[in-house]
Amino acid sequence: GAGVSQTPSNKVTEKGKYVELRCDPISGHTALYWYRQSLGQGPEFLIYFQGTGAADDSGLPNDRFFAVRPEGSVSTLKIQRTERGDSAVYLCASSLGQGFDNEQFFGPGTRLTVL
Amino acid sequence: DQQVKQNSPSLSVQEGRISILNCDYTNSMFDYFLWYKKYPAEGPTFLISISSIKDKNEDGRFTVFLNKSAKHLSLHIVPSQPGDSAVYFCAASQFGAGSYQLTFGKGTKLSVIP
Repeated sequence: GAGVSQTPSNKVTEKGKYVELRCDPISGHTALYWYRQSLGQGPEFLIYFQGTGAADDSGLPNDRFFAVRPEGSVSTLKIQRTERGDSAVYLCASSLGQGFDNEQFFGPGTRLTVL
Repeated sequence: DQQVKQNSPSLSVQEGRISILNCDYTNSMFDYFLWYKKYPAEGPTFLISISSIKDKNEDGRFTVFLNKSAKHLSLHIVPSQPGDSAVYFCAASQFGAGSYQLTFGKGTKLSVIP
């Protein structure tokens, strides 16, 4: 079956612009996660959705970052007034449920470059 | 402050030998630990996990050991194969506290030499 897909695979933008990154989770997965991986680092948690609601947004770095999942499936990560420090690979993951024995399946990521 | 640390950025092992990847953590509230494998231009792929109530979990060539008193875990791969060459991430969570976010280390790049 299809895995987690993310679009675009690459996004180049200019400082100060607005960007949207899309994640299509595995069908039937109720939990969805966003992580950010900067160069030389491991993935860093941003936000987690259970269904349509953000159950944990403690990883969002500031109010320029926002994510939605209006129908409990596709999610969009939105970044306003992008800064060069936002350059990273943004990873999305989904899982069937939450907790033990609910593996998080990752997509290939969107590489964001802010010039 | 890094809560999950992988102090070896890289490791080279001969094919057929054992690979041992190490991970240390500082947060005693972590109760579930995972290893992910990542190839270039792909997302991380789950490999194996262990709950804090266990000290060992085995799956084929992969075994994870957990030493809670030392806040240390390790991944053993025996025998190592060239296809195992990838970046390996250690991750931890507090599932028992209702937190499902994973905290990752920086990764160790494993090279298995034929």
